[in-house]
Amino acid sequence: DQQVKQNSPSLSVQEGRISILNCDYTNSMFDYFLWYKKYPAEGPTFLISISSIKDKNEDGRFTVFLNKSAKHLSLHIVPSQPGDSAVYFCAASAAGGTSYGKLTFGQGTILTVHP
Amino acid sequence: ETGVTQTPRHLVMGMTNKKSLKCEQHLGHNAMYWYKQSAKKPLELMFVYSLEERVENNSVPSRFSPECPNSSHLFLHLHTLQPEDSALYLCASSPGDRDGYTFGSGTRLTVV
Repeated sequence: DQQVKQNSPSLSVQEGRISILNCDYTNSMFDYFLWYKKYPAEGPTFLISISSIKDKNEDGRFTVFLNKSAKHLSLHIVPSQPGDSAVYFCAASAAGGTSYGKLTFGQGTILTVHP
Repeated sequence: ETGVTQTPRHLVMGMTNKKSLKCEQHLGHNAMYWYKQSAKKPLELMFVYSLEERVENNSVPSRFSPECPNSSHLFLHLHTLQPEDSALYLCASSPGDRDGYTFGSGTRLTVV
């Protein structure tokens, strides 16, 4: 049972336009959500996060939106740059108990930004 | 360099071999993790070590055996693997802050 799903394996965007990456989750216990970015031959690096008490978090060109009722979050990158081309992973975490410190990841979306 | 170092970066092993993956962090983190990344699949959590507690994913076959001798080092011992175990194995550490996950660059494992 995949608790975090990224249904788009890939996304292609023109430089300067907006990139929107989507993520759905099923576990109601998740209260913290993160996006990671991964370049080839490197490990994932943290990009941005959002707590379930918020519906939006912004950091420069990156904004994450959370819709708790729909169990859906999205990452917006605007304007997109060629250097943003990477695999983006959505991750979720539930507070407390044995879930401490564990992240559940989606399968990733390959973003390609064309010059 | 992220602060989490994994060796080797690449490994090719036969199904009858025994090998070990190593992970080292000097970030002062108290939790370490092994994840497996297969093509087109989510990163799968394999093992967690946190404050000397090991949380084991029940779906991990016994041919994968973790070892955490201290808070800075984590090993994954491999024996009698199958070709479907070929994947990227990622180590991560965290101080307990969910924003503080730091991943290593991974070991690309190929089982022949």
